[in-house]
Amino acid sequence: EDQVTQSPEALRLQEGESSSLNCSYTVSGLRGLFWYRQDPGKGPEFLFTLYSAGEEKEKERLKATLTKKESFLHITAPKPEDSATYLCAVQTYENNYGQNFVFGPGTRLSVLP
Amino acid sequence: KAGVTQTPRYLIKTRGQQVTLSCSPISGHRSVSWYQQTPGQGLQFLFEYFSETQRNKGNFPGRFSGRQFSNSRSEMNVSTLELGDSALYLCASSLALGGAWYTEAFFGQGTRLTVV
Repeated sequence: EDQVTQSPEALRLQEGESSSLNCSYTVSGLRGLFWYRQDPGKGPEFLFTLYSAGEEKEKERLKATLTKKESFLHITAPKPEDSATYLCAVQTYENNYGQNFVFGPGTRLSVLP
Repeated sequence: KAGVTQTPRYLIKTRGQQVTLSCSPISGHRSVSWYQQTPGQGLQFLFEYFSETQRNKGNFPGRFSGRQFSNSRSEMNVSTLELGDSALYLCASSLALGGAWYTEAFFGQGTRLTVV
């Protein structure tokens, strides 16, 4: 069974204090790994897609990387507005057709001013 | 470009009733997926529709059903509501290029269903 775990469960940072979030996956065959940000009471907002080990994507203070077993979301000099739950999701070869993600439980990030 | 629109945003129903939720995808997107989000289970996949056909289904009981119309709009129905069905129901739309290939999914704001 495909599994996605995320660590830490919650993370508190001071503004400007860089850190990384981890997403580990055990899947039959990875087609893509996705990072989303979710604010309370809202739907997830798409951040990045990574397809193969070694791939990196950047957007403002966020950088996502992918290895064969895990992905990292690096947050450089975070600001309070970066506070949110960060979710990772995988799409696997098992579901050859279709769009159904397996989501991790998320990391709740709080950035204090 | 308009995003994914879900209606209603909030809903309160009584145990045993049924409910229908609606989702309008991003214009041009042909794939619509539904997810249930609860504090205990996180985001769980319900089903996905593409060109009016259900392509994938998650591990939910038959009380959960859906359909997609020719304009790609989708509805989700839950019959005989239980207290445990209280959750945020999220709809996501995707371009689904070429039918077989996936692309990133864009989510709506969700419908908060409370069953009392």
